[in-house]
Amino acid sequence: GAVVSQHPSRVICKSGTSVKIECRSLDFQATTMFWYRQFPKQSLMLMATSNEGSKATYEQGVEKDKFLINHASLTLSTLTVTSAHPEDSSFYICSAPEGVSRVTQYFGPGTRLLVL
Amino acid sequence: AQSVTQPDIHITVSEGASLELRCNYSYGATPYLFWYVQSPGQGLQLLLKYFSGDTLVQGIKGFEAEFKRSQSSFNLRKPSVHWSDAAEYFCAVAFLNFGNEKLTFGTGTRLTIIP
Repeated sequence: GAVVSQHPSRVICKSGTSVKIECRSLDFQATTMFWYRQFPKQSLMLMATSNEGSKATYEQGVEKDKFLINHASLTLSTLTVTSAHPEDSSFYICSAPEGVSRVTQYFGPGTRLLVL
Repeated sequence: AQSVTQPDIHITVSEGASLELRCNYSYGATPYLFWYVQSPGQGLQLLLKYFSGDTLVQGIKGFEAEFKRSQSSFNLRKPSVHWSDAAEYFCAVAFLNFGNEKLTFGTGTRLTIIP
């Protein structure tokens, strides 16, 4: 299957700082990528859809000024958590659809964010 | 609105025993159905998917799933589990949204394997 990478795999930061997470499709192009958040022992919650060449689409309740998304190229999307607070601590996972139907999503390994 | 239900939060199975994880969906049309597996601290790996055709689909690691339209179900099965199958399993449904295929996930089933 297609490969999606994320960097960093884990990050610890101080409250008030910003953190950037990268999501890359390694062997295919992705005009769309998805960003999810997962709390411990819970399912994935879709935060936003990243669109190459246009603005991201955010799910209801997700602050777009808090979670900045930039889809810089056909293989790279970034999520920046601005002015991070302890409640932003979570596991962030990206995915990208691949294939003719562009329905099957391939997931990155996730980024563990801890805000102190 | 579409939804996915995984009624079993946690299942414990003996190694070598058979396994069935349940998944039910609510959707107006025939959905695209997926099963993903997640090991602790890792991303999700696709086990198998159903789009159309044969309702019994084979996946990786010896898993299979059967789509039953009459029951709105897509249960995951494995005839003999291995200790390495211990993980979190997510059922998911895709629907079309202006060309972007969003996934709706179930709440997950945690699988524990005992010797």
